[in-house]
Amino acid sequence: GAVVSQHPSWVICKSGTSVKIECRSLDFQATTMFWYRQFPKQSLMLMATSNEGSKATYEQGVEKDKFLINHASLTLSTLTVTSAHPEDSSFYICSVRQGSTEAFFGQGTRLTVV
Amino acid sequence: SQQGEEDPQALSIQEGENATMNCSYKTSINNLQWYRQNSGRGLVHLILIRSNEREKHSGRLRVTLDTSKKSSSLLITASRAADTASYFCATEAQAGTALIFGKGTTLSVSS
Repeated sequence: GAVVSQHPSWVICKSGTSVKIECRSLDFQATTMFWYRQFPKQSLMLMATSNEGSKATYEQGVEKDKFLINHASLTLSTLTVTSAHPEDSSFYICSVRQGSTEAFFGQGTRLTVV
Repeated sequence: SQQGEEDPQALSIQEGENATMNCSYKTSINNLQWYRQNSGRGLVHLILIRSNEREKHSGRLRVTLDTSKKSSSLLITASRAADTASYFCATEAQAGTALIFGKGTTLSVSS
């Protein structure tokens, strides 16, 4: 299966600052990556689909100017939380898939905004 | 967006007992998958069942799919304390599209 590396695994930042999360597909070229957010004791909510070389597709209710996604290469997608606020504190996790098969997930990033 | 409900939300059993979790979804699907998540960690794929399949087995796992009722169940037999985790179903509406997750069931297996 695919190996997905996500970095950092946790981060604490001050309100108003921006945080960048990286998601790397280590062993295959991923034209598409998916970003999810998970609040405590809740399920994963799809935020956006990251497409290599083009704009990301955001789910309804997800602010594209706040959650900037860049998929500049076939192995790297980044999610930048801009002007973070305490309500953005959450567990962010990326995944890749090879066609219509299982998804492989990164380890996740726990973001705490203070 | 979320596809549907899972029940129960929480399940506590003793080691050796079987655990059954149910998942319902709303739209037509290409396949349905089950994942496990240990607290605060990434997800691990357990099993995938395609829309034209009705039952699938993998070790101590048994998954059923009823597309007419838009529901699936995951059975874990002879549970172990190490099975303690959250379990999620996820559906793929069309090939290659994003997986949409259910709300999950938190399973606690005590020894």
